[in-house]
Amino acid sequence: GAGVSQTPSNKVTEKGKYVELRCDPISGHTALYWYRQSLGQGPEFLIYFQGTGAADDSGLPNDRFFAVRPEGSVSTLKIQRTERGDSAVYLCASSGQAGTEAFFGQGTRLTVV
Amino acid sequence: QKEVEQNSGPLSVPEGAIASLNCTYSDRGSQSFFWYRQYSGKSPELIMSIYSNGDKEDGRFTAQLNKASQYVSLLIRDSQPSDSATYLCAVPTSGTYKYIFGTGTRLKVLA
Repeated sequence: GAGVSQTPSNKVTEKGKYVELRCDPISGHTALYWYRQSLGQGPEFLIYFQGTGAADDSGLPNDRFFAVRPEGSVSTLKIQRTERGDSAVYLCASSGQAGTEAFFGQGTRLTVV
Repeated sequence: QKEVEQNSGPLSVPEGAIASLNCTYSDRGSQSFFWYRQYSGKSPELIMSIYSNGDKEDGRFTAQLNKASQYVSLLIRDSQPSDSATYLCAVPTSGTYKYIFGTGTRLKVLA
């Protein structure tokens, strides 16, 4: 596609529920990144994929968070047993290769009530 | 010490002036540096990248890099009210290349 696409744009879920956030990167981009951004803060790194494998998942806050990229293109961020503290904007970015220009999608605003 | 540091601002400049935004980083092995602009409620938009020491100019924007001082800056010439936004500095770490962002500097250009 022309740009990074994230779905849904907004997600409201009840505390304790499971959610999936999807990211479709720019075609041909091998590197894909997930970030979380809270109001007034810079994006916080969660996980980075190079191809199908997670090259660095050191930013995942706990084992309720998991991400996959099974075919090296679309990625899904999965959050189990959501908590109110998980409420944030979840951003996805992709780049042609690691360390080069990365482009963001429009984000998914997750609200846990 | 934070890995990427920026003054949170707000930085207020009059229309037509030069805005100077600064960023310091801790990873001496980092090789690439990026500036993003983020309007309120929107996602970050890449505006400049720089890989070598010195200056890189693109229109009204100039990025400056000094690896010895671990310092990267962004100059915006002829600032316009539409430049009012938060500017984020991003530095991929050496090794794993995860992009570390500063907290951003909020710029206000006063008409």
